[in-house]
Amino acid sequence: SYVLTQPPSVSVAPGQTARITCGGNNIGSKSVHWYQQKPGQAPVLVVYDDRDRPSGIPERFSGSNSGNTATLNISRVEAGDEADYYCQVWDSSSDHWVFGGGTKLTVL
Amino acid sequence: EVQLVESGGGLVQPGGSLRLSCAASGFTFSRYWMHWVRQVPGKGLVWLSLINNDGRRTTYADSVKGRFTISRDNAKNTLYLQTNGLRAEDTAVYFCARAGYSSTLIDHWGQGTLVTVSS
Repeated sequence: SYVLTQPPSVSVAPGQTARITCGGNNIGSKSVHWYQQKPGQAPVLVVYDDRDRPSGIPERFSGSNSGNTATLNISRVEAGDEADYYCQVWDSSSDHWVFGGGTKLTVL
Repeated sequence: EVQLVESGGGLVQPGGSLRLSCAASGFTFSRYWMHWVRQVPGKGLVWLSLINNDGRRTTYADSVKGRFTISRDNAKNTLYLQTNGLRAEDTAVYFCARAGYSSTLIDHWGQGTLVTVSS
């Protein structure tokens, strides 16, 4: 089955750019979606189709996807961005939806 | 406003069953594919199952295939997950979620219902 690999944690100072990676075999051929989850809350879609943002999501959130790595970028990080972030794809070969293991973003 | 409200969770003994429900409102339920996703407290999201808009297509994660059944009642705007043969490792918060315009993504989530499997 298709596996998505994320770093368990990323730390960044306020105002800097956080980069969270999501690795998968030829992930560049798939559409990658990113979710933010704060403690005790449901996940929220923050980036879809590699790089698009739903309405209401700040422009500070952006994404890219190429080769074997997709990346979520959060520029000008704020304390309120501290959360767990998950990447997700649809694996056509198994017809399964797959999540990465999640990355805890800590704002120093 | 899209709302998804899960119910039916609780404490169940190993080997037992529960039927989870998800009441949908704020959108035309019959037009959307729907998912179940679970999360062990403190752990990551795990996709479980999908049902298409008319209920004719379903797919399951290997970990629950044969034990869990997804279904829907479009007249009642409700999604279901029948869980049988529950194990301790099924203990988790169960979320229902709506597939987006592109069926590969999830654009709205419920708040979840906790299932605890323990004797």
